[in-house]
Amino acid sequence: EPEVTQTPSHQVTQMGQEVILRCVPISNHLYFYWYRQILGQKVEFLVSFYNNEISEKSEIFDDQFSVERPDGSNFTLKIRSTKLEDSAMYFCASTPSVSRYGYTFGSGTRLTVV
Amino acid sequence: TQLLEQSPQFLSIQEGENLTVYCNSSSVFSSLQWYRQEPGEGPVLLVTVVTGGEVKKLKRLTFQFGDARKDSSLHITAAQPGDTGLYLCAGFNAGNNRKLIWGLGTSLAVNP
Repeated sequence: EPEVTQTPSHQVTQMGQEVILRCVPISNHLYFYWYRQILGQKVEFLVSFYNNEISEKSEIFDDQFSVERPDGSNFTLKIRSTKLEDSAMYFCASTPSVSRYGYTFGSGTRLTVV
Repeated sequence: TQLLEQSPQFLSIQEGENLTVYCNSSSVFSSLQWYRQEPGEGPVLLVTVVTGGEVKKLKRLTFQFGDARKDSSLHITAAQPGDTGLYLCAGFNAGNNRKLIWGLGTSLAVNP
């Protein structure tokens, strides 16, 4: 079964530091996403990415956030200057062209900002 | 703003019991996706319902999409401890908006 792989599984960082979360989507998928889940809250959409550009982003995805697909396999989320409220589980997901049938999520990166 | 409400939020039952959890919205969705999430893991897709009135079965799990495509239910027959987990529904609309709208989930505990 193809998987979405995320690294690291846990990241602790000091407030104000930059972090990069990494994802390897399923190889033949075309759409890539980042979602986050703050403890006890709903899963929230951050950004979708298609054809090497952002196709949609939420109000959460401000100038502190950026995404990149630096090569043919990796998909990264960068937070430039982390805040305490950025502490959450961050999930990467990918879909083939017809995404209404379901997403494949990675196991997530637990980010703790101290 | 599209919202999905899931009920109940928590459910604790004995092994062998049946249960139904609900996912409701005032909005119409192209599809509703059901996921199960274990602590510290990402959501895992169980099933997607697309057509109004559709019923899908996955072993002891039965999923139904409302006729108006605004709500869905998940029924588990003869629950087992292995069914324990967080069950999430997520609504999808096509077009420019490809993001999923999530419910808060139903946390199910099946006690042996």
